[in-house]
Amino acid sequence: DVKVTQSSRYLVKRTGEKVFLECVQDMDHENMFWYRQDPGLGLRLIYFSYDVKMKEKGDIPEGYSVSREKKERFSLILESASTNQTSMYLCASSLGGSGLTGELFFGEGSRLTVL
Amino acid sequence: LAKTTQPISMDSYEGQEVNITCSHNNIATNDYITWYQQFPSQGPRFIIQGYKTKVTNEVASLFIPADRKSSTLSLPRVSLSDTAVYYCLVGENESDMRFGAGTRLTVKP
Repeated sequence: DVKVTQSSRYLVKRTGEKVFLECVQDMDHENMFWYRQDPGLGLRLIYFSYDVKMKEKGDIPEGYSVSREKKERFSLILESASTNQTSMYLCASSLGGSGLTGELFFGEGSRLTVL
Repeated sequence: LAKTTQPISMDSYEGQEVNITCSHNNIATNDYITWYQQFPSQGPRFIIQGYKTKVTNEVASLFIPADRKSSTLSLPRVSLSDTAVYYCLVGENESDMRFGAGTRLTVKP
């Protein structure tokens, strides 16, 4: 089974702190994604990556950056956390390559609270 | 990017068949239709995907009419454990697909 592991289930940070959210997948997937989920808004795509050192902006990249130095690891970085970044953050991966599978494999999520 | 519209919520009873319809009027030729299920405090989980006509797996069926402007997820004989949020997504690849607010299905005993 594909496993997507997010480093922290719950984090509490203060405004202005730098925050790292780590995600690791164990199935050699090409694509990795970061979403945030807020009540009533569904999941919104922040950034995604098709390959090592590659990144693409999603719909709401402002205030975030990402890093993909190794194929299995995709990090989301909040350079200076703000209260409006309090949310559930979900990492996902997909096989990639030619053709669509449409199947995203999600981690369990990281609930971030910024005070 | 194709936009999808689903009912916000639905109620059902155990043992009934549930049909959730999704509207996607501006679906593109290369777009696929994919459905996900999400339980509280978990990430979404892939249920089924299709391009046209009917697709069936061990969990659900997906019905897509010829014009592909809508699709219907059918869950046979639901149980309490099927209470979840169901998302319909449309896109050519994973980065094109967008999660809307989904349909909150509540199965009652």
